[in-house]
Amino acid sequence: QTVVTQEPSLTVSPGGTVTLTCASSTGAVTSDYYPNWFQQKPGQAPRSLIYSTNNKHSWTPARFSGSLLGGKAALTLSGVQPEDEAEYYCLLSYSGTQLVFGGGTKLTVL
Amino acid sequence: QVQLVESGGGLVKPGGSLRLSCAASGFTFSDFYMSWIRQAPGKGLEWISYISSTSSIIYYADSVKGRFTISRDNARNSVFLQMNSLRAEDTAVYYCTRRVLRFLVQDFDYWGPGSLVTVSS
Repeated sequence: QTVVTQEPSLTVSPGGTVTLTCASSTGAVTSDYYPNWFQQKPGQAPRSLIYSTNNKHSWTPARFSGSLLGGKAALTLSGVQPEDEAEYYCLLSYSGTQLVFGGGTKLTVL
Repeated sequence: QVQLVESGGGLVKPGGSLRLSCAASGFTFSDFYMSWIRQAPGKGLEWISYISSTSSIIYYADSVKGRFTISRDNARNSVFLQMNSLRAEDTAVYYCTRRVLRFLVQDFDYWGPGSLVTVSS
């Protein structure tokens, strides 16, 4: 069974920079896995922030960026705002037939 | 604007069945793949199934294969999830999502608010 691993929790100060990562049990994450990143706040549906590694939606704040880093997918927040406190999920696509979410990273802005 | 609204959730006994519906608006429904994703209480997200625009391509997660069936009606701008042989572990909020799938692009760009399914005796 394929497992996608994220940091369970991270803490960052307002205005700081933080990087969340997403690893695959099958090996290095590449663009072929079309990494997606979603943000979920309590009581809300998730919303897509980054798709296909590093593409942003019109609603994605400029401080969010996606990349590949050391064999993992990565989501970097630069200049963190209090409203960025949320759960973040990555999603990897395995040949398009199986899609696996990571367990989520709870980001605390403190 | 794009809207997805799920319905059909509720309380069902183990072994029972339930059918979720998702009404889509604000876009050309027949041009897009659609998908269901669920989230158990206090837990993370789990992809369940997706269906292509013409229903010719369908995939399921192993956890629901053989028990759940996804379908769509392009004339009614709706996608469905028939859930049979329900188990306690199927208790979750079920989200309907639009799946974008084209050359070098995969995304779930729009999500409904979700529908709660509770499996309990």
